[in-house]
Amino acid sequence: SQKIEQNSEALNIQEGKTATLTCNYTNYSPAYLQWYRQDPGRGPVFLLLIRENEKEKRKERLKVTFDTTLKQSLFHITASQPADSATYLCALDSDSNYQLIWGAGTKLIIKP
Amino acid sequence: GAGVSQSPSNKVTEKGKDVELRCDPISGHTALYWYRQSLGQGLEFLIYFQGNSAPDKSGLPSDRFSAERTGGSVSTLTIQRTQQEDSAVYLCASSRHGGDEKLFFGSGTQLSVL
Repeated sequence: SQKIEQNSEALNIQEGKTATLTCNYTNYSPAYLQWYRQDPGRGPVFLLLIRENEKEKRKERLKVTFDTTLKQSLFHITASQPADSATYLCALDSDSNYQLIWGAGTKLIIKP
Repeated sequence: GAGVSQSPSNKVTEKGKDVELRCDPISGHTALYWYRQSLGQGLEFLIYFQGNSAPDKSGLPSDRFSAERTGGSVSTLTIQRTQQEDSAVYLCASSRHGGDEKLFFGSGTQLSVL
């Protein structure tokens, strides 16, 4: 079955450093992958989408990579700030054209 | 409205009661999704609407769950004879047309079944 994994343990990063989150998947070949941010008590908020033919995508301090050989996406936040503290979710498209497969998310804590 | 609106934000109910959750998507968005989020779990797909029709109901956990969408806008998710395992956050999302577009989520309904 399709499976997606994110680090279940919280990631603690010092302010100003680069935070790197991992999303691994098995048993299928998604055409694209999305990253979302979720704050407590709120719904996820879209950040970036990267397609299978794109190696890297950037938006301000955010960078996403997509390695279809390793079946892995990395999400980077450079010059991290305490306001970046949140849970980050990755989601991949499934065999359908509307159903996403979601990871459980990684909680990121940026310490001042 | 400016975003996806869900109500109520919190619902506490007794086991065996029926509950109705409401979602008001972004105006003009034809695609609407319901997800369930339990602690430590990824979002669980429940149902997808394109306009008023639901081409895929396969994610609904049991026949106690049903959903409808009227006028291509507001959607309601109904859970009959609630069970404790139904306790979770129910999230609604919409997108302009569906497919590979980004989803806009509401803040969810926290359902607690006692």
